[in-house]
Amino acid sequence: GQQLNQSPQSMFIQEGEDVSMNCTSSSIFNTWLWYKQDPGEGPVLLIALYKAGELTSNGRLTAQFGITRKDSFLNISASIPSDVGIYFCAGQRGNQFYFGTGTSLTVIP
Amino acid sequence: GAGVSQSPSNKVTEKGKDVELRCDPISGHTALYWYRQSLGQGLEFLIYFQGNSAPDKSGLPSDRFSAERTGGSVSTLTIQRTQQEDSAVYLCASSLGWGRVGYDEQYFGPGTRLTVT
Repeated sequence: GQQLNQSPQSMFIQEGEDVSMNCTSSSIFNTWLWYKQDPGEGPVLLIALYKAGELTSNGRLTAQFGITRKDSFLNISASIPSDVGIYFCAGQRGNQFYFGTGTSLTVIP
Repeated sequence: GAGVSQSPSNKVTEKGKDVELRCDPISGHTALYWYRQSLGQGLEFLIYFQGNSAPDKSGLPSDRFSAERTGGSVSTLTIQRTQQEDSAVYLCASSLGWGRVGYDEQYFGPGTRLTVT
């Protein structure tokens, strides 16, 4: 099945630093989503984006739906230790969801 | 409130055996999804149920995989004659279902980790 190109694959940052990750696709999507997955758990939705160009914030998280509808980015500001986990982007088309390969984030106190 | 539950949490099986994985969605959710997550990979869509409609099976990787959803609630994913490449975490998600305005948020269960030896 189709998977999105997500980068970077992993990040090691100092607590307090900002983080940026992005996702690209060769196909357009109606909705872009960002999830966080903790070990042994299922993904949890962080942000949903519905319109091209939309910029949405959720606390320290900011995400944008690319104008071309083929890309999205997620920024985390002032990272804290509990931000550790794997972040996934997903694009939705109809009733199908296509996921990125994930960005593993490690925050060093 | 109760979220999506899956059982078993871990399953180790021998190559060639059949396995059944169970998903209990959130009460009232009409849509149910199965995904497969291999080590270091994103989620791979397997199958989608919406109410009483025929399921979207387009993601099932082979005819050894099947799923059913009884009474519009509990779902079982069956893998016959398991192979080592079937080893992965199998995730189930449910949502209120289409027809809602805006995005229909999926809620994921914790997954079943399947190991085929």
